[in-house]
Amino acid sequence: EPEVTQTPSHQVTQMGQEVILRCVPISNHLYFYWYRQILGQKVEFLVSFYNNEISEKSEIFDDQFSVERPDGSNFTLKIRSTKLEDSAMYFCASSPAHASQPQHFGDGTRLSIL
Amino acid sequence: RKEVEQDPGPFNVPEGATVAFNCTYSNSASQSFFWYRQDCRKEPKLLMSVYSSGNEDGRFTAQLNRASQYISLLIRDSKLSDSATYLCVANAGNNRKLIWGLGTSLAVNP
Repeated sequence: EPEVTQTPSHQVTQMGQEVILRCVPISNHLYFYWYRQILGQKVEFLVSFYNNEISEKSEIFDDQFSVERPDGSNFTLKIRSTKLEDSAMYFCASSPAHASQPQHFGDGTRLSIL
Repeated sequence: RKEVEQDPGPFNVPEGATVAFNCTYSNSASQSFFWYRQDCRKEPKLLMSVYSSGNEDGRFTAQLNRASQYISLLIRDSKLSDSATYLCVANAGNNRKLIWGLGTSLAVNP
């Protein structure tokens, strides 16, 4: 069964450094998402992406965050200058069409900011 | 009022028990609803979509009540492997975003 893949599984970064999280969505899916989950808290929506542009973003997704689909397969989340509070699990998801359809998740990247 | 609200839990039940989770949503324009399961430190996995007429998948039954803006998940004959957090999810009504509940933790005990 096709799946969403994320790399790396764990990223440790010094505060203030830039980090790029990578995702390969399911190949025939058109909508891509990033979520984060701080330990013990709920899954929080960050951004959705369709047709090479952001279709929606949350208030968490400020100027420090950006997303890109640099080629036909990868979907990346960049955090420009990381803060301690960015430490969380970051999940990428994709869906065949819009958010009325189920989203399929990668197994996440654990980001630890020191 | 939270956008998607679930029973706080945790639920501790013996194997074989029937357990019900409830969820309410605040956006009357929401059209799509899902139950996801999340194991500790793992990604959410789709358990089932929730349809207006209610739907069943093996031991799992989901119900939707649009008038009350209420969704339920029933697990019959619970197994040890059902132990997880169950997340109620509704779309935001604009077909672009899913709103997640905090989740209800279930522990099935031998």
